[in-house]
Amino acid sequence: AQRVTQPEKLLSVFKGAPVELKCNYSYSGSPELFWYVQYSRQRLQLLLRHISRESIKGFTADLNKGETSFHLKKPFAQEEDSAMYYCALSYSSASKIIFGSGTRLSIRP
Amino acid sequence: EADIYQTPRYLVIGTGKKITLECSQTMGHDKMYWYQQDPGMELHLIHYSYGVNSTEKGDLSSESTVSRIRTEHFPLTLESARPSHTSQYLCASSDGVGYTFGSGTRLTVV
Repeated sequence: AQRVTQPEKLLSVFKGAPVELKCNYSYSGSPELFWYVQYSRQRLQLLLRHISRESIKGFTADLNKGETSFHLKKPFAQEEDSAMYYCALSYSSASKIIFGSGTRLSIRP
Repeated sequence: EADIYQTPRYLVIGTGKKITLECSQTMGHDKMYWYQQDPGMELHLIHYSYGVNSTEKGDLSSESTVSRIRTEHFPLTLESARPSHTSQYLCASSDGVGYTFGSGTRLTVV
């Protein structure tokens, strides 16, 4: 069965330090992976998709099929990056998405 | 502005009451979804719809029901609310590429 695992519930780093939020998945098919973000008092929104291979707000994520991972990275954290981050996997023709349990990223000044 | 709207934002209701959570989108998306999320926990898919008159149950069993009579409208109903239904309910729609989420309804059943 498909599953998304985010092993860290909370990640706290200093401003300017590198950030890596971990995400592992299990899926027998060809996965489509996403990162969603929820800032304080805002709705959940798409941050990036693996097939776009783009950098959004300085974040990147590379799909590693060998390790079944899709870790989110940013070289220099900023205070406005503090938020809840969810890794997600899309499957089936209905475009259903399952989410990991989320990681709360806290950037210390 | 094309968007997805959920009402109410907050609802406190007594046990046994019937409630309907509203979700409407103006983006013309065929696919719509309901997720349930407890604080700090993952989102669980409880219902989804491919289009008008199409509804399916999600991965998490739920006592709620949904309907899709119009493309833009995907309400969720609880016939008899119970304290175990206390949670946040998120509605989303998709054009097949990514999801757009509503602001959610935080439901408390007392």
